[in-house]
Amino acid sequence: GIQVEQSPPDLILQEGANSTLRCNFSDSVNNLQWFHQNPWGQLINLFYIPSGTKQNGRLSATTVATERYSLLYISSSQTTDSGVYFCAVERPDTGRRALTFGSGTRLQVQP
Amino acid sequence: GAGVSQSPRYKVAKRGQDVALRCDPISGHVSLFWYQQALGQGPEFLTYFQNEAQLDKSGLPSDRFFAERPEGSVSTLKIQRTQQEDSAVYLCASSPFPETQYFGPGTRLLVL
Repeated sequence: GIQVEQSPPDLILQEGANSTLRCNFSDSVNNLQWFHQNPWGQLINLFYIPSGTKQNGRLSATTVATERYSLLYISSSQTTDSGVYFCAVERPDTGRRALTFGSGTRLQVQP
Repeated sequence: GAGVSQSPRYKVAKRGQDVALRCDPISGHVSLFWYQQALGQGPEFLTYFQNEAQLDKSGLPSDRFFAERPEGSVSTLKIQRTQQEDSAVYLCASSPFPETQYFGPGTRLLVL
């Protein structure tokens, strides 16, 4: 099956700092989503971004499908950004709509 | 509107007990998914419904796991004869075909 690798596995930031999270995937995809899992376990949709660039407030994401990677940018980080960030992908043309998740980047933003 | 809801939020079961986990998807969403998340790991796919049809159950770990969605809305994941290795968070997601999957808060299952 498809492999999804996220880096870095852990990240500690001071409030106000910027960061870039990376997601590499081993095959072509027709769906790529970024999620934030908060400390209570809720998976929150950040972006649906199989290709291109999107921005939502302090967050933005870019997927370069031809090179099989996606980046999540967090600017001016806040303590509420803490949690685990997951990248998840779906293979095309298989009839399977299962998302395959990476192992996540655990972010801690310190005041 | 309301998001995906799951119940119970927490379940403690004795080994060998049967459990049933419920998922109420977002109204009108055709697709429904179940995932299992072990501590410190990303979610792993269990099964997928399109309306009432179970199109993919390749992720179910054993024949003790069974899922249904009889009327194409609410879904139930049933685990028979629970084992300690079944302890995990069970996440449900729904989607308006074929796009973004929206996740519920999960059910934390602890098998003693």
